[in-house]
Amino acid sequence: DADVTQTPRNRITKTGKRIMLECSQTKGHDRMYWYRQDPGLGLQLIYYSFDVKDINKGEISDGYSVSRQAQAKFSLSLESAIPNQTALYFCATSETGYAQYFGPGTRLTVL
Amino acid sequence: GENVEQHPSTLSVQEGDSAVIKCTYSDSASNYFPWYKQELGKRPQLIIDIRSNVGEKKDQRIAVTLNKTAKHFSLHITETQPEDSAVYFCAASSPVANSKLTFGKGITLSVRP
Repeated sequence: DADVTQTPRNRITKTGKRIMLECSQTKGHDRMYWYRQDPGLGLQLIYYSFDVKDINKGEISDGYSVSRQAQAKFSLSLESAIPNQTALYFCATSETGYAQYFGPGTRLTVL
Repeated sequence: GENVEQHPSTLSVQEGDSAVIKCTYSDSASNYFPWYKQELGKRPQLIIDIRSNVGEKKDQRIAVTLNKTAKHFSLHITETQPEDSAVYFCAASSPVANSKLTFGKGITLSVRP
């Protein structure tokens, strides 16, 4: 779904580095989400936002922070990356809070 | 909070056969149940969903059924094809929990040609 884009698509970094993953959408949806996917663990919610001024922690927010710069942009930051944050990260959007539409994902490797 | 479980973790069927994938959920307040398909290296894609006021929904070869009393819902794929091979995730959301989706761990479906 080209309406939700993520940058970068792949990133290799070192322990202790600050990393920002970006998500943009042209769907006009107010709700945006960041998920982490690890093999065999499904999708775990990191943070979610219902609008620019409403940001909420998900089930695994420790070690992460987010910024909602505009309705269309939602960024995820790792302030000091550690190896167990190596994972596939997905952004998603929703108009109603029900159906969610995912971006293509960012594969992050922390050495 | 909500807990969603999928069993088994893998399923293999012969092309042309039907496949049924079942999920259970714990929160009786949950009212929305989507199914996502994720092909290798791709994003999860919504393939069908159902709300709690409906017992069954169909879309061509796929259908979802919901049993609120037993708190389980199932994905049915008929006339399976090799391109149906993927990981399938179920999820549930509750208005009490800000309508956040809680995902199951996924099931790998393999369709043998």
